[in-house]
Amino acid sequence: QVQLVQSGAEVKKPGASVKLSCRASGYTFITYYMHWVRQAPGQGLEWLGIINPSGDNTKYAQRLQGRVTMTTHTSTRTVYMDLRSLTSEDTAVYYCARGTTGTTGLDFDYWGQGTLVTVSS
Amino acid sequence: QSALTQPASVSGSPGQSITISCTGTSSDVGLFNLVSWFQHHPGKPPKFLIYVDTKRPSGISTRFSGSKSGNTASLTISGLQAEDEAHYYCCSYVGGSSWVFGGGTKLTVL
Repeated sequence: QVQLVQSGAEVKKPGASVKLSCRASGYTFITYYMHWVRQAPGQGLEWLGIINPSGDNTKYAQRLQGRVTMTTHTSTRTVYMDLRSLTSEDTAVYYCARGTTGTTGLDFDYWGQGTLVTVSS
Repeated sequence: QSALTQPASVSGSPGQSITISCTGTSSDVGLFNLVSWFQHHPGKPPKFLIYVDTKRPSGISTRFSGSKSGNTASLTISGLQAEDEAHYYCCSYVGGSSWVFGGGTKLTVL
């Protein structure tokens, strides 16, 4: 069965960076893209970006441009998201979710369990 | 890209039907047949309910149905059950390998 297993909770100080991971299993890794989505406390879901399985094609949400980098490691079937210059507004639960090229409609069909990132001084 | 517009809350009694709207523009919801809907219970990841505006993934109850007219998509839940109480989110492809979510709707089962 498809599983996306994310790394554990993180506590960071303002200005620091965080690198989250999402390990995929149960499907052909190179066939699907991966999205990252977050939910801040009391807020809705926010799309952060998408990466193709080989890691050479990414698209980031405009508000995160310059602070986010998504990468993949195909041999371990793992996708990473690096977020820099953290502020309290980055405090959220971060999810990875399986994706496609965008034309199939089957994006976000499977989700990781979420990783809580807390940014606090 | 602005978030899609959803009502903040809806409510209904067990057995009734409710509809949640999701309004976008002619550049997203109205342009692509790529609206999805998700159910989100606190502490759990979102659950994939509807895709390509109207289709249900395997295993999703027929009580959940999607529709679209112009720039507004809708999710209807019929035969409301207590376990349907959750937040519901729409999401649309907006082109250029980008997506946008709605602000979310809290469903209360009275």
